[in-house]
Amino acid sequence: DAGVTQSPTHLIKTRGQQVTLRCSPISGHKSVSWYQQVLGQGPQFIFQYYEKEERGRGNFPDRFSARQFPNYSSELNVNALLLGDSALYLCASSPKITGPLFFGSGTQLSVL
Amino acid sequence: GIQVEQSPPDLILQEGANSTLRCNFSDSVNNLQWFHQNPWGQLINLFYIPSGTKQNGRLSATTVATERYSLLYISSSQTTDSGVYFCAVPNSGYSTLTFGKGTMLLVSP
Repeated sequence: DAGVTQSPTHLIKTRGQQVTLRCSPISGHKSVSWYQQVLGQGPQFIFQYYEKEERGRGNFPDRFSARQFPNYSSELNVNALLLGDSALYLCASSPKITGPLFFGSGTQLSVL
Repeated sequence: GIQVEQSPPDLILQEGANSTLRCNFSDSVNNLQWFHQNPWGQLINLFYIPSGTKQNGRLSATTVATERYSLLYISSSQTTDSGVYFCAVPNSGYSTLTFGKGTMLLVSP
């Protein structure tokens, strides 16, 4: 079975641009979460979606938004990019709203 | 929110040595996960361990929920064990996780 897949793997943007990151969960998993990891730190929670509804939001500005589709895949959007948004963005899925998380390989975003 | 502290922050071992990584958390939790992040950034699940002890090959983990800590044991370390080890606990009862800052492990041949 395929694991969590994310696209693209790498992305370079300039300040002020907008970016969309994509995630496909493990088959049968209904919960998708997004995390941001900056160099030298642990991942930080951004959003959780379960059954297409937002179930949690971390301490991130409104420039960050997400959605979950009927097939449980998800997109993370970041508007008006700042240099500080440069990070590894990780998507995780789980079968239920609680339980172990399984992570994808991430999207490395560089903002110049 | 809940605080997670990991120690040591860095660890250098010779191949074949054993090690213990520690994770302390500030509030009671109903589960805990250990991950290994490889040099390519992939977070690999090691253990989902609310309490008690689990073993998987050369790795084992023990969580003592009542005392708010977990330990990850690595025996007979190999160079492929190098990377960053994270523990993470749930926030507010859902599966959103709060991570520690990690332990960076380097195993030299």
